[in-house]
Amino acid sequence: KAGVTQTPRYLIKTRGQQVTLSCSPISGHRSVSWYQQTPGQGLQFLFEYFSETQRNKGNFPGRFSGRQFSNSRSEMNVSTLELGDSALYLCASSLQAIGEQFFGPGTRLTVL
Amino acid sequence: GIQVEQSPPDLILQEGANSTLRCNFSDSVNNLQWFHQNPWGQLINLFYIPSGTKQNGRLSATTVATERYSLLYISSSQTTDSGVYFCAVERNQGAQKLVFGQGTRLTINP
Repeated sequence: KAGVTQTPRYLIKTRGQQVTLSCSPISGHRSVSWYQQTPGQGLQFLFEYFSETQRNKGNFPGRFSGRQFSNSRSEMNVSTLELGDSALYLCASSLQAIGEQFFGPGTRLTVL
Repeated sequence: GIQVEQSPPDLILQEGANSTLRCNFSDSVNNLQWFHQNPWGQLINLFYIPSGTKQNGRLSATTVATERYSLLYISSSQTTDSGVYFCAVERNQGAQKLVFGQGTRLTINP
């Protein structure tokens, strides 16, 4: 069974631009969560989607948004990029709303 | 919100040594996972262990939910064990999904 996939793997953007990241969960998994990892703040929860509904949201500004499609694939969008948005963005999927989570390889975003 | 503390923050050992990593959490949890982050950033699942003891080869983990801590044991360390180990917990209630500790950076020297 294929693991969680994320595209693209690397991105370079400039301040003020917007970016869309994609995550395909493990087949059959209905929950997708997003996390941001930075050297200063560590791993922080962004949001979680389950059956196309946002179930939880972390403490991030409204510039960060996401959605989930009927096939459970998820996208996250960051508008008006800031230098501080440079980070590794990790996506995880789980079979149900509560349960073991499996992570993708991440998207490394650099904002110049 | 729930707090997760990992210790020690850094650990340097010689190949063949044994190590114990600790994770303390401040409230009851439904889920606890241990991960190893590889050099490319991917989090590799080690254990899903909300309670009890599990073993996988040279690695084992124990979670004592009533006392709010978990331990990860690595025996006969190899250089490939080097990297950052994270503990993460999940509660059914609350706004957070997985809440991560700050990690333990393990360095195994040959």
